Amino acid sequence: AQKITQTQPGMFVQEKEAVTLDCTYDTSDQSYGLFWYKQPSSGEMIFLIYQGSYDEQNATEGRYSLNFQKARKSANLVISASQLGDSAMYFCAMRGDSGGGADGLTFGKGTHLIIQP
Amino acid sequence: ETGVTQTPRHLVMGMTNKKSLKCEQHLGHNAMYWYKQSAKKPLELMFVYSLEERVENNSVPSRFSPECPNSSHLFLHLHTLQPEDSALYLCASSQDARFTEAFFGQGTRLTVV
Repeated sequence: AQKITQTQPGMFVQEKEAVTLDCTYDTSDQSYGLFWYKQPSSGEMIFLIYQGSYDEQNATEGRYSLNFQKARKSANLVISASQLGDSAMYFCAMRGDSGGGADGLTFGKGTHLIIQP
Repeated sequence: ETGVTQTPRHLVMGMTNKKSLKCEQHLGHNAMYWYKQSAKKPLELMFVYSLEERVENNSVPSRFSPECPNSSHLFLHLHTLQPEDSALYLCASSQDARFTEAFFGQGTRLTVV
């Protein structure tokens, strides 16, 4: 079984500041993938960034970076220079390798990020 | 434009109605998914289809019936739903059903009255 824990239900951040959204995970799979999604009020889930469990370097995508600490089973999302448009729900998710079967993503409960001007 | 389109965007149905949610992807992906997002709960995976075959069914009640006629289309047939089934239903697709990222549609907001 896989589990994602996001301990921050909500966060208020000043515009242009950096933001760190916490995510810890639990899995018995040897290989797995970690994902972050953004969900604005429109409801659509927008893929942001991916980290493979065997990737040696932290993933980066523009202003998004993933602080992957495998020993601690954490995969925090860092947003640099936050913008008002970053206000949304953010979900951490993972997909494991359960012996060749097809898996969907397991999601955390999400963090509601509000960027203040 | 995410390449995954869901219709309708909003649906209100009575408990005795039969309705269907539709999902279409234009990304050439081989795997498609249905998720349920209820208030204050994590997204719940309902069904996974890989190459048009169902590969996972997370103990979803039989009043939800998926159909995948081809790799581009996915349906969720609904009948005799309960008020607690009211939620946002999200469709997603991915290149395959392993480690690749999933791309989501905008969801169908379902209200059961």
